[in-house]
Order: sequence, then structure tokens, then C-alpha cells
Amino acid sequence: EDQVTQSPEALRLQEGESSSLNCSYTVSGLRGLFWYRQDPGKGPEFLFTLYSAGEEKEKERLKATLTKKESFLHITAPKPEDSATYLCAVQDVSSNYKLTFGKGTLLTVNP
Amino acid sequence: EAGVTQFPSHSVIEKGQTVTLRCDPISGHDNLYWYRRVMGKEIKFLLHFVKESKQDESGMPNNRFLAERTGGTYSTLKVQPAELEDSGVYFCASSPGTGGKRGYTFGSGTRLTVV
Repeated sequence: EDQVTQSPEALRLQEGESSSLNCSYTVSGLRGLFWYRQDPGKGPEFLFTLYSAGEEKEKERLKATLTKKESFLHITAPKPEDSATYLCAVQDVSSNYKLTFGKGTLLTVNP
Repeated sequence: EAGVTQFPSHSVIEKGQTVTLRCDPISGHDNLYWYRRVMGKEIKFLLHFVKESKQDESGMPNNRFLAERTGGTYSTLKVQPAELEDSGVYFCASSPGTGGKRGYTFGSGTRLTVV
């Protein structure tokens, strides 16, 4: 069974203090790894899809990387508006539509 | 482009009652998905429609849950009769195809509380 573990569960940063979120996964074969951002009372908002080890994608202050066992979401010089829950999800090769999510990391950036 | 719309946003019902959740996907998206997050757990897959056909309902908890997608447009998820453990946030998502290259667009969810 596919499993996704995210750490830490919660992270508090000062504005400008860079850090990384971790997503460890277990799948029979990885079709894709997804990062989403979720604000309170909203649904998950798509950020990135990564497909193979070594791949990297960037968007503003966010950079996602992928290895064969884990993914990192690096946040450079975060701002208070980056505060949200960040969700990681995997898609197994046995399915081209089903996502298996982790519990998420709650990021708080203080001004 | 309008997003995925879900309603109601909140519903509080008594145990044993029936509740129907509705999802309007992005126009033109053939693929529609339902997910659920119960307190303290991760978001979990419930089922997948392609147009009006159920492709995979392996995540549906039991036969008290019934999903339909009439005419391949909006979808409903009915819970009858509701139990306490059905409380959670129900998300709908849609996509033009599968594979997720452009991600899946989620709605804001329906928070269901069964008392």
C-alpha cells in the first residue's frame, strides 16, 4: 500500500528564514509526486508535479526536489503570505488518477 | 475560468439523517474525483468518474455512500443514513484528463458534521 509521511507536522519560521519540508514516500512505482498548498477553509491548490529522481521545479520562493525515496519543498526567504498547510501526494504507476496524500505540514511565517 | 464549486460549504445533520453533497466541476473536465479528510487523518480518495461513468469507487467506505454524475456534468454524493464517523471534509476535484500533468483542481470542500 502506498504511504506518504510528511515532516515536520508544523513549522514556525521568521520572515526571511529559509527552511525545507520533507515528504517521504513508499510506492510500488512512482508515476508522479505532487505538492499542494492549502489555506484554511479552502481546497488544496496545485503547486508542482515531479516525475523522476533528480527533477526540480521552482515557483517564486518555492523549490521542489525529488529523490527515489523523498521530496523536499524548499522555501527561500519566506513571507507571511506563505503561511499555509503544504500537502504532498503520490500517484502510483498502477493508477493514473488516484492521489495518496500525506497529512501535511502546517507552516507559519511570522513577520 | 470558474473553479470547482461545492455546496453546501457546511452541513450539520443528526445521526441517521440523509445528506447530499454537490460538486460542479470545471466546465469541460471529463474527470471528477471525490476525496475525504476525517479529523486527524490524511485526505483519502473515494471515487473517480469519467464523464457519467464510475471508473473506480474503491475508496467508498460502505454502501451508505452513493455517488452519481448525471449527464457527465455535476456530481452528487449522498450519505444515507449518516453515522458519526462520516464527519469530515469532503473535497471534489476535476481534471481534463488523467495523469495530473497540470494537477487536479480541488473545490473548497463541504464540511460535514454528524451529531
